[in-house]
Amino acid sequence: EVQLVQSGAEVKKPGASVKISCKVSGDTFTDYYMHWVQQAPGKGLEWMGLVDPADGQTTHAEKFQGRVTITADTSTDTFYMELSSLRSEDTAVYYCALGNYAFDIWGQGTMVTVSS
Amino acid sequence: QSALTQPPSASGSPGQSVTISCTGTSSDVGGYDYVSWYQQHPGKAPKLMISDVSERPSGVPDRFSGSKSGNTASLTVSGLQAEDEAYYYCSSYAGSNSPNWVFGGGTKLTVL
Repeated sequence: EVQLVQSGAEVKKPGASVKISCKVSGDTFTDYYMHWVQQAPGKGLEWMGLVDPADGQTTHAEKFQGRVTITADTSTDTFYMELSSLRSEDTAVYYCALGNYAFDIWGQGTMVTVSS
Repeated sequence: QSALTQPPSASGSPGQSVTISCTGTSSDVGGYDYVSWYQQHPGKAPKLMISDVSERPSGVPDRFSGSKSGNTASLTVSGLQAEDEAYYYCSSYAGSNSPNWVFGGGTKLTVL
């Protein structure tokens, strides 16, 4: 059974960057994309982007273009999502989710608070 | 404003059936058979309930079913149980458009 374990909560100042990790354990995962999804407090889900662990190729939603970097370290089965130039609107829970056209397995979420 | 439109709330009594709709466009829901549904309890991560319009992952009760007609997908929960009370989100692949995946705004299902 595949499990995704994310890094802990972060508090950042506006303008800073945050890097969240997502470690995969269990079965093989290279046939699946790793997606990242944002959920602001009391709000719905928003797709941010993905990485294909087979070749490291990424794609991002335009909304996050230029600010988000998604990477995969297949040697440690760990994925990363870095969001830069943080602003208050980036306060949210960030999830990694493994899957192709659906998000089959989710991490537990990482709360990021942006506050001066 | 979410790309896919869901009713903000739905409700039913235990044992009843309830259907939640998810309306998109020909560029997402209507264009691909890649609609999925997620259940989210407060403070928890979402859980996949339906993929590829109507496929139920292993472990999901057969009380949950999905369908699609044109640009509208639907999730039906039959034989409602107390533990079904949660938020439900639909999602669709949107091809090469950005964002490549879109979500609905979520529906709060209340079991009366």
